[in-house]
Amino acid sequence: DTAVSQTPKYLVTQMGNDKSIKCEQNLGHDTMYWYKQDSKKFLKIMFSYNNKELIINETVPNRFSPKSPDKAHLNLHINSLELGDSAVYFCASSQPRTSGNTIYFGEGSWLTVV
Amino acid sequence: GQQVMQIPQYQHVQEGEDFTTYCNSSTTLSNIQWYKQRPGGHPVFLIQLVKSGEVKKQKRLTFQFGEAKKNSSLHITATQTTDVGTYFCAVISSNTGKLIFGQGTTLQVKP
Repeated sequence: DTAVSQTPKYLVTQMGNDKSIKCEQNLGHDTMYWYKQDSKKFLKIMFSYNNKELIINETVPNRFSPKSPDKAHLNLHINSLELGDSAVYFCASSQPRTSGNTIYFGEGSWLTVV
Repeated sequence: GQQVMQIPQYQHVQEGEDFTTYCNSSTTLSNIQWYKQRPGGHPVFLIQLVKSGEVKKQKRLTFQFGEAKKNSSLHITATQTTDVGTYFCAVISSNTGKLIFGQGTTLQVKP
């Protein structure tokens, strides 16, 4: 069973389009995240939700909008895609109270904007 | 804000050689975590260090936390091709509580 699963794994789309990436975790964790990894492999946190509540909102363009319908799901919607949005987007989850903030990552969604 | 510097950015070694990556912080850390990301894969948690001067081993991997809790290292003895990947350290920001990743060290191993 995949602990943190995200779809789609690969996404190629044109500039200006709107796209969504979905994420689900079956670990029972309260906290979920979206990370962006650029071509230099730098991992940067974008958003963090705790029990459906937004707790971290980094300086990301407001074209990026996360949504957490319940604590097991955290989706990422991106409007008006730009070339610079091309990256790998990782969903992740953790349970800080019990696992010391160990992050469990999904397999990533490779977004290419052309 | 909290920053952690990780060096080197890249390392190419011959199979059987040793490898070390270092993480340095200007502030005292409560703990430090290490992750490994295989090519095309996702970061996977390896270990967490909490105590000053702590040393932990996982087979050929040795993790150290500095006495002042401002630096850490990951040492791989006798590298194998399966060790290829990017190794990240990660620390919890004292300001925000979020996990901040180092820049990563990408290891290439020539067979």
